[in-house]
Amino acid sequence: DTGVSQDPRHKITKRGQNVTFRCDPISEHNRLYWYRQTLGQGPEFLTYFQNEAQLEKSRLLSDRFSAERPKGSFSTLEIQRTEQGDSAMYLCASSLGSGPGGEQYFGPGTRLTVT
Amino acid sequence: GQQVMQIPQYQHVQEGEDFTTYCNSSTTLSNIQWYKQRPGGHPVFLIQLVKSGEVKKQKRLTFQFGEAKKNSSLHITATQTTDVGTYFCAGVDNYGQNFVFGPGTRLSVLP
Repeated sequence: DTGVSQDPRHKITKRGQNVTFRCDPISEHNRLYWYRQTLGQGPEFLTYFQNEAQLEKSRLLSDRFSAERPKGSFSTLEIQRTEQGDSAMYLCASSLGSGPGGEQYFGPGTRLTVT
Repeated sequence: GQQVMQIPQYQHVQEGEDFTTYCNSSTTLSNIQWYKQRPGGHPVFLIQLVKSGEVKKQKRLTFQFGEAKKNSSLHITATQTTDVGTYFCAGVDNYGQNFVFGPGTRLSVLP
């Protein structure tokens, strides 16, 4: 257990529905990352926060995806109008630091299945 | 955009044999990290390299960062069954803030 928690652990939804995932990072960590991972691939960067500010968002990220970290603590990732191609493991990670780098602690992930 | 490649994709070794995975980036990296992911698990941080030509060791694991800061390697001496998993390198280039993970090398160790 790294201290990063994610909820829910599994989500099955029908195509077209909206889903929201939550990540609680390690409490003193100021940086929070969201990744998506499909079978046999490495984690794909989605977005990153430093405190409450969203500093970077992948150009590959559809506008159906949005993330927030309102108080610089927990974060939510919402996917609107889900598609079957959104089925993946969504990973959250947190780290401490002010610049690129720093050991990232990953949560257990939320596995999304879109039927 | 920045691309990170790893070779080989898969490696099967007999317990006790050595193992090496190579990581190559299309752009110069400010730093590189290595992670290990066990089957069904999440990535776990192993190490970060920052300096050109840096070499770090952790017991049977040796990590290198290339002189040009565009490639890296992970070498495991005398593999054990506990080394089974997928090894990912990840780096951020000098211009961006986002980490790019390689596709990973999946290691199987036969007892």
